[in-house]
Amino acid sequence: SQELEQSPQSLIVQEGKNLTINCTSSKTLYGLYWYKQKYGEGLIFLMMLQKGGEEKSHEKITAKLDEKKQQSSLHITASQPSHAGIYLCGADFQGAQKLVFGQGTRLTINP
Amino acid sequence: DADVTQTPRNRITKTGKRIMLECSQTKGHDRMYWYRQDPGLGLRLIYYSFDVKDINKGEISDGYSVSRQAQAKFSLSLESAIPNQTALYFCATSETLHHGYTFGSGTRLTVV
Repeated sequence: SQELEQSPQSLIVQEGKNLTINCTSSKTLYGLYWYKQKYGEGLIFLMMLQKGGEEKSHEKITAKLDEKKQQSSLHITASQPSHAGIYLCGADFQGAQKLVFGQGTRLTINP
Repeated sequence: DADVTQTPRNRITKTGKRIMLECSQTKGHDRMYWYRQDPGLGLRLIYYSFDVKDINKGEISDGYSVSRQAQAKFSLSLESAIPNQTALYFCATSETLHHGYTFGSGTRLTVV
């Protein structure tokens, strides 16, 4: 959806390096959700951010929501092969209880 | 057993055929959703349902229909399949969005 833009669309990093994926909204977010998808499989919920300035971590993955609640970043520290996959951000606009997704970022980790 | 089960996992069908994709869940959630995923386009919402009597169109409902047979079952039908409906289809459920969706493993549909 153009309401949510992810960048970059694909990313190749060396194992052990840090990386950041961005998700930008054209309007204020009610909630921002990060998911991970292994190629061709279902999506796994990583975390949800709701408050401006909020930051959450799950193992080596940290997500932040900016103060204006229009941009989120997902940061992976010391990347590992298990981090490879497609990362998608999803947004709930105006509390509609349904998610709009970005186009996804394909992450490849080279050994 | 998986919380959200989609059947079939893979299906190849011919143009013009009617096909049904099924989704069942054991989470006890009221809300169920159907999305399709195409390369470079992320997931797009086809239909969603907040309870058995509530069915809503998503952003790309044309060419699709749904049936909510019970709280646990939500089926997606393609009345007359066409090649551009070739995609990976996901069913999802939620109790409240605070905990996000629980997704099924997907159905890979190819229309030839």
